[in-house]
This record gives sequence, structure tokens and C-alpha cells, in this order.
Amino acid sequence: EAGVVQSPRYKIIEKKQPVAFWCNPISGHNTLYWYLQNLGQGPELLIRYENEEAVDDSQLPKDRFSAERLKGVDSTLKIQPAELGDSAVYLCASSLGHGTGELFFGEGSRLTVL
Amino acid sequence: EDQVTQSPEALRLQEGESSSLNCSYTVSGLRGLFWYRQDPGKGPEFLFTLYSAGEEKEKERLKATLTKKESFLHITAPKPEDSATYLCAVIVGNQFYFGTGTSLTVIP
Repeated sequence: EAGVVQSPRYKIIEKKQPVAFWCNPISGHNTLYWYLQNLGQGPELLIRYENEEAVDDSQLPKDRFSAERLKGVDSTLKIQPAELGDSAVYLCASSLGHGTGELFFGEGSRLTVL
Repeated sequence: EDQVTQSPEALRLQEGESSSLNCSYTVSGLRGLFWYRQDPGKGPEFLFTLYSAGEEKEKERLKATLTKKESFLHITAPKPEDSATYLCAVIVGNQFYFGTGTSLTVIP
């Protein structure tokens, strides 16, 4: 069974440029998460989807970050414009349901903003 | 404020030298505690779920235990391939909280 797929794995951009990350969750997983992970830190939730509905986006900086999960399958996270402090790893995870605790993570997208 | 604290931040062990990693939490309404392993450049990989004090789970050289205030991940006779960062996470209500992890290095 295929795992969570993320792309791109690495992205280097100039500040103020836009960037987008894509995630394809495990088939059948209704819950999808986007996390941000800084070096030496644990993942921090940005947004959680149940099917196509964003049910927890309280930590998403909405002035520059946006996300969508059309048709309740794959998802895109966008940053526009990017700032230096956005340099981090963006992790996508999916699960059969929220609360089970067993999240399946992708390998992450490492963003460097110059 | 709900908190998850892991200690030590880093641990170096000789191959075969058993030890424990700690995850302490100050949350109310804990619904579950989870352990993950994260290799460099990879996403976290699920290891265990613990739901109630006294519960224990084992997998190969790893054993996770849970009390009312903390969880331990015991590593028995570790091997170099056990080197990774170990993250714990708790779920409170609908919120997941991850700790900052313990970086384990096992020296041959």
C-alpha cells in the first residue's frame, strides 16, 4: 500500500515569492493534517481536514497561508508571500479518523526562504 | 497551559546499553499518548498508543509504559539502527500536542 506522498521534497525560494506544497494521503484516510516542523522541534499543527472540510485551522496564519482539499482526497498548502521565518519542513499526515493517534506521515517538504 | 516535555534532549548509548526516555505531560482530559520514531529527513513513524495508566506496549527492543503523569520508552540492548529521534504526543480533546523529542544515538 502506498504511503503519504508529498511534493516537492525540497524547495528554495526568495522571500516574498509564493510556494505550494502538495500531499496525497493514504487511500481511504478521511483525516488529513498539515504540520510545520522546525529543526529540533516537534511537529506543530497548521490545519486538519475531515474529508474536504477544514475542521481545525486555528494555527494557520491566514494572512499568508492557505490550504485546500478539494474532493476530500489530495491537498495543497500555499504560502504567499513567503517570509524568512517560513523556512521549515512541512509535513502532511493522514489517518482513518481523528483521535486514533496513529498518523501516517509523508517525508515532508523542506522549504528554504532566502 | 497543556504541556508535553521530553527528556533528555539527547542521549548517547553504547550498543547493548539499556536506558529509558521520558515524556511528562501536564494536560487535563488526556485521551491517549503516542510514541513516534523520526529518522533524519523523514516524517515521524508511529510506534505505540497508550490509553490508560498502567498500560504497557512492546515492540522488539522497545517498551512503552504510562502513568498518570508520564510515559517511559524503555530501550533494551539497543542497536545502532535504533538511532533516531523519538517523539511523544498526547491528544487532549481534539488537539494533538507533540513534544520536542529525544535524539538517540547508539554507538557500535
